[in-house]
Amino acid sequence: AQTVTQSQPEMSVQEAETVTLSCTYDTSESDYYLFWYKQPPSRQMILVIRQEAYKQQNATENRFSVNFQKAAKSFSLKISDSQLGDAAMYFCASGGGSEKLVFGKGTKLTVNP
Amino acid sequence: GAVVSQHPSRVICKSGTSVKIECRSLDFQATTMFWYRQFPKQSLMLMATSNEGSKATYEQGVEKDKFLINHASLTLSTLTVTSAHPEDSSFYICSARAPPGIPGNTIYFGEGSWLTVV
Repeated sequence: AQTVTQSQPEMSVQEAETVTLSCTYDTSESDYYLFWYKQPPSRQMILVIRQEAYKQQNATENRFSVNFQKAAKSFSLKISDSQLGDAAMYFCASGGGSEKLVFGKGTKLTVNP
Repeated sequence: GAVVSQHPSRVICKSGTSVKIECRSLDFQATTMFWYRQFPKQSLMLMATSNEGSKATYEQGVEKDKFLINHASLTLSTLTVTSAHPEDSSFYICSARAPPGIPGNTIYFGEGSWLTVV
């Protein structure tokens, strides 16, 4: 069984600053993927970044990067140069060979101008 | 990029009636789609895995006779909420896995559907 834990229900950051969202997971899969999704008020789930577990190199997408610690089963998201449009719910998710995703409870990010 | 579309985005139905929600992969074929339910201020809860040409696989605690899933083609899965009750009111969202060639086992989501049962 897979579990995903997000221990920060809410986070806030000043515009242009950096914020890190935490995520830990547990899985019995040997080959799996990790994701961060953003859900703005529109409720559309938007893929922010993905990480293949077999890759040691941390994934990066523009201002978004992850710190993937496989042994610790940790997968945190760092948002640099935060923008007002980054305000949303962020969900960490894990998916294995079965392809279905298991989500954490989410972190509400507020960006203060 | 890959697009998944859901329809309707909002629907209101009377208690006791049935309502159908469609999920379409617009530019790729999806042998597997997933249906989630999201309560206010909560995370996504997987309801079932929709498999093209075969029966859906339901998660524990989800009533398969109440939430009927049909995946008749490689681009369409439907969720029918039968004999809807007010407690079925929720946000329902589908997803589909993009085929090989798009790296990272990427799963794309539809826009979601708000169901209100009155």
